[in-house]
Amino acid sequence: DAGVIQSPRHEVTEMGQEVTLRCKPISGHDYLFWYRQTMMRGLELLIYFNNNVPIDDSGMPEDRFSAKMPNASFSTLKIQPSEPRDSAVYFCASSLSWGSTEAFFGQGTRLTVV
Amino acid sequence: DQQVKQNSPSLSVQEGRISILNCDYTNSMFDYFLWYKKYPAEGPTFLISISSIKDKNEDGRFTVFLNKSAKHLSLHIVPSQPGDSAVYFCAAGDSGGGADGLTFGKGTHLIIQP
Repeated sequence: DAGVIQSPRHEVTEMGQEVTLRCKPISGHDYLFWYRQTMMRGLELLIYFNNNVPIDDSGMPEDRFSAKMPNASFSTLKIQPSEPRDSAVYFCASSLSWGSTEAFFGQGTRLTVV
Repeated sequence: DQQVKQNSPSLSVQEGRISILNCDYTNSMFDYFLWYKKYPAEGPTFLISISSIKDKNEDGRFTVFLNKSAKHLSLHIVPSQPGDSAVYFCAAGDSGGGADGLTFGKGTHLIIQP
């Protein structure tokens, strides 16, 4: 398996534009997590899914953020409209189970909103 | 090719003793490093970081040491407590424009024995 795949790796967009980040989890993993990484705040959990169903979205900063998982092999994180303070690296991760100690992270998408 | 390696999948330490978790990296462009802690029922959380201009960073019981010539960093926990039992991920990043986000190791499962 190629691991968790995220796209794009880099995204530069203008303030106000819609941004969509994509993630392909490892096949067979039941849990998918979206994280945001900043130098100041470290890694923050935004939302996670179990069997394609959103379980906890309490980490989503605002209504401008939304996430979907239409099937077991694909998830999106959308920001609309984007703002400069959204600039960060966004990580997707998957794990076999919630109790699993091993989470596999994608390489991340570096988002820059200008 | 793993750019960040944690060669010990697990480590068992007695309560009260020092826990030392190791991490090696191969990419000389990495200039900041982070440790994350993950409990079985939670997502990873940021623990401590260090930039390449320093060789030591301390936060309470946690100290991270960086040896740039050896491309090696370590996390020391003194004294170890039962609540420290978790998986610890080492991560590295390039702030200078590589813009590839963070590269994570596979984690070390630390078990603190009473």
